[in-house]
Amino acid sequence: DAKTTQPNSMESNEEEPVHLPCNHSTISGTDYIHWYRQLPSQGPEYVIHGLTSNVNNRMASLAIAEDRKSSTLILHRATLRDAAVYYCILVTGANSKLTFGKGITLSVRP
Amino acid sequence: KAGVTQTPRYLIKTRGQQVTLSCSPISGHRSVSWYQQTPGQGLQFLFEYFSETQRNKGNFPGRFSGRQFSNSRSEMNVSTLELGDSALYLCASSFDEVTNNEQFFGPGTRLTVL
Repeated sequence: DAKTTQPNSMESNEEEPVHLPCNHSTISGTDYIHWYRQLPSQGPEYVIHGLTSNVNNRMASLAIAEDRKSSTLILHRATLRDAAVYYCILVTGANSKLTFGKGITLSVRP
Repeated sequence: KAGVTQTPRYLIKTRGQQVTLSCSPISGHRSVSWYQQTPGQGLQFLFEYFSETQRNKGNFPGRFSGRQFSNSRSEMNVSTLELGDSALYLCASSFDEVTNNEQFFGPGTRLTVL
């Protein structure tokens, strides 16, 4: 599986936008970019995914670089509830598994 | 719509025993995956079942096995338990392949091996 690289941690202030980066320089043309998050003491939760174009949903936006070698998860207004570990994952072809890395731990300051 | 449910939520076993964990996916979902989460190794994929057939498998020993029933419910079994099997076991379901679908996770079963 192609790998992703994320910073270990990031801090943000409540009600401010948050940009979580992810590098995936070895991405292939059929790899989808997925983001999941895991709140403390809970199972992972789907956030968003995309292939080539930027994507928006009620939780977040996903900005994908034109060469697809990096992407950014954007939380438009961080809340305390957004404090979690965020995982950037590449999923390829007919492979129905998510390969989780260490993710990025987001802390939100009130 | 009910979410993914897992039973039991907590389990304590001793080394050498075996254990069976159960997962009920979201109604209509045919794919069920299992993951192991430990502080040291993080989240690791165990296997995935689709329409009662194992479709994908991770790098775990044969002591870890699973099955899926015709109603999509799934069980995973760990035989000859070792201390290192202590972990949070997560079940996740999706309509089909997760490549272009979201996967819904259950709350997990916390297994402690003494």
